[in-house]
Amino acid sequence: QVQLQESGPGLLKPSETLSLTCSVSGDSISGYYWTWIRQPAGKGLEWIGNIYTSGRTRYNPSLKSRVTMSADTSKNQLSLKVTSLTAADTAVYYCARGDWALKSWGQGRLVTVSS
Amino acid sequence: AIQLTQSPSSLSASVGDRVTITCRASQGISSALAWYQQTPGKAPKLLIYDASTLESGVPSRFSGSGSGTDFTLTLSGLQPEDFATYYCQQFNTYPYSFGQGTKLEIK
Repeated sequence: QVQLQESGPGLLKPSETLSLTCSVSGDSISGYYWTWIRQPAGKGLEWIGNIYTSGRTRYNPSLKSRVTMSADTSKNQLSLKVTSLTAADTAVYYCARGDWALKSWGQGRLVTVSS
Repeated sequence: AIQLTQSPSSLSASVGDRVTITCRASQGISSALAWYQQTPGKAPKLLIYDASTLESGVPSRFSGSGSGTDFTLTLSGLQPEDFATYYCQQFNTYPYSFGQGTKLEIK
């Protein structure tokens, strides 16, 4: 059974760059889409974007200019970078396997943006 | 971008009740809709995809229907573990989007 684990810094300052890693075990990341979603505390889910392991990406236009996703098949990891952080980027960030019908999720990583 | 509007935003019900949650899309999305359940502190769990296909392992008291712009999630015979927040998600058109959520509480 595939398992996903997000990791990265939990506290960042405004204007800094968020770098998160999603480590996948139990299966290869190759041949799948991988999706990133975030959820501010007490609020709903926001689709950030997805990546296919060939490198093709789709980003939410609301974040597009600040987001970069990548896949490292040698490490079986996905990564998410979000630049120019503001307090509005404070959220739990999830990675999930799939393009649609997201069946497998990580447990989420809380990222707080505060000076 | 396609907007999804769920109703109600919250509802109270009792164990054993039947409840229905609605998700309306701002434009037609065929049957490209999924439903998720989320409990506090946990990642969402896929319940239904393609509007009406039950994910493996999900109890049959969950059912989904609809196509185009109007969709429903029905829970028949509520169990204590069903009290959670439910989200719909469309995957017809990028950027994919979620509804704002429906919180189901115990009456």
